[in-house]
Amino acid sequence: DVKVTQSSRYLVKRTGEKVFLECVQDMDHENMFWYRQDPGLGLRLIYFSYDVKMKEKGDIPEGYSVSREKKERFSLILESASTNQTSMYLCASSPPGRGLNEKLFFGSGTQLSVL
Amino acid sequence: EDKVVQSPLSLVVHEGDTVTLNCSYEVTNFRSLLWYKQEKKAPTFLFMLTSSGIEKKSGRLSSILDKKELFSILNITATQTGDSAVYLCALDNAGNMLTFGGGTRLMVKP
Repeated sequence: DVKVTQSSRYLVKRTGEKVFLECVQDMDHENMFWYRQDPGLGLRLIYFSYDVKMKEKGDIPEGYSVSREKKERFSLILESASTNQTSMYLCASSPPGRGLNEKLFFGSGTQLSVL
Repeated sequence: EDKVVQSPLSLVVHEGDTVTLNCSYEVTNFRSLLWYKQEKKAPTFLFMLTSSGIEKKSGRLSSILDKKELFSILNITATQTGDSAVYLCALDNAGNMLTFGGGTRLMVKP
């Protein structure tokens, strides 16, 4: 079974702090994604990566950056956390195929609270 | 802009009931529509639909797509408490991103 692991389930940070959310997958997937999930808004894509050192902006990249130095690891960085970044963050990966989204495998999520 | 709207927002039923969850969409370039179940944190894949009128079935769950009217439904028969979850519909527009709906929260009471 594919495993997508997010380093923290719950995280509490202060406004202005730099925050790193880590995601590791063990199935050699090319594609990795970061989503945030807010009530009533569904999942919104922040960034995705289809290869090492490659990244593409999603719907809501402002205030975030990402890093993909190794195939199995995709990090989401909040350079200066703000209260409106309080949210559930979900990492996902998918194998190569005719599309990037054929089947996403999700991590268990990180609930980030910015105070 | 692609759009996915799910209804109802939430639903409370009793065990044994049958439920129908709705997903309507607007898309410029349709590739597929996907359904996910999210129980605690991680959404898990249920179905991928690409063609109109062909029902996908897995146990008590089934789903069908209508590409003319731009909607899909997810049916759950003989519901059980373990079906309680948020059900997410997502649209693959052949680009690089999935567009998710807001989800339907289903609660099944014993």
